[in-house]
Amino acid sequence: AQKVTQAQTEISVVEKEDVTLDCVYETRDTTYYLFWYKQPPSGELVFLIRRNSFDEQNEISGRYSWNFQKSTSSFNFTITASQVVDSAVYFCALSGPHVGTSYGKLTFGQGTILTVHP
Amino acid sequence: ETGVTQTPRHLVMGMTNKKSLKCEQHLGHNAMYWYKQSAKKPLELMFVYNFKEQTENNSVPSRFSPECPNSSHLFLHLHTLQPEDSALYLCASSQETGVIRRGYEQYFGPGTRLTVT
Repeated sequence: AQKVTQAQTEISVVEKEDVTLDCVYETRDTTYYLFWYKQPPSGELVFLIRRNSFDEQNEISGRYSWNFQKSTSSFNFTITASQVVDSAVYFCALSGPHVGTSYGKLTFGQGTILTVHP
Repeated sequence: ETGVTQTPRHLVMGMTNKKSLKCEQHLGHNAMYWYKQSAKKPLELMFVYNFKEQTENNSVPSRFSPECPNSSHLFLHLHTLQPEDSALYLCASSQETGVIRRGYEQYFGPGTRLTVT
């Protein structure tokens, strides 16, 4: 069975602070995919990044960066110089190799509520 | 219209009503999904459609009935719901090709906030 744990329920920071959102996953699949989504108050989940299990390169996109550590089954997300517009719920998700009945199954974590104060 | 759209955005219905949620994707994808998001619970996958064929029914009660007439449209027909069915219902789509899926990301609509009274 797959499982995603986001231990931080809520995080509150002041603008311009750096913040890291933790994600730990469990899976028996050797091929799998990890995702981060942002859900602003409007409700729509916005895709941020996909990472394949066989690609452990870390990635940076503007103020966002992701640290994939297969050895510790973690896929953490860091926002540098946070802004008020970053306030949202952030979800980490995991899917398997999408073969047969595992097709399309995304397992989500509980989400982390990030509040950035001005 | 771009991306994934959902209508209505808000819906209040009684337990004896029948209503439908609509989802449309303008991304040329061939897979569509229904999710339920309740307060203090992780997102729950309800149904998966691939090329209009239902490939997953995640033990969803029969009072929820999905319909996928083509790869761009997905409906969720609701009847005799319970108050605990009140939630945000999210539709998503993704592009999957071939027998072995590539794990492409899913794109979500804004959701329908459903309240059952």
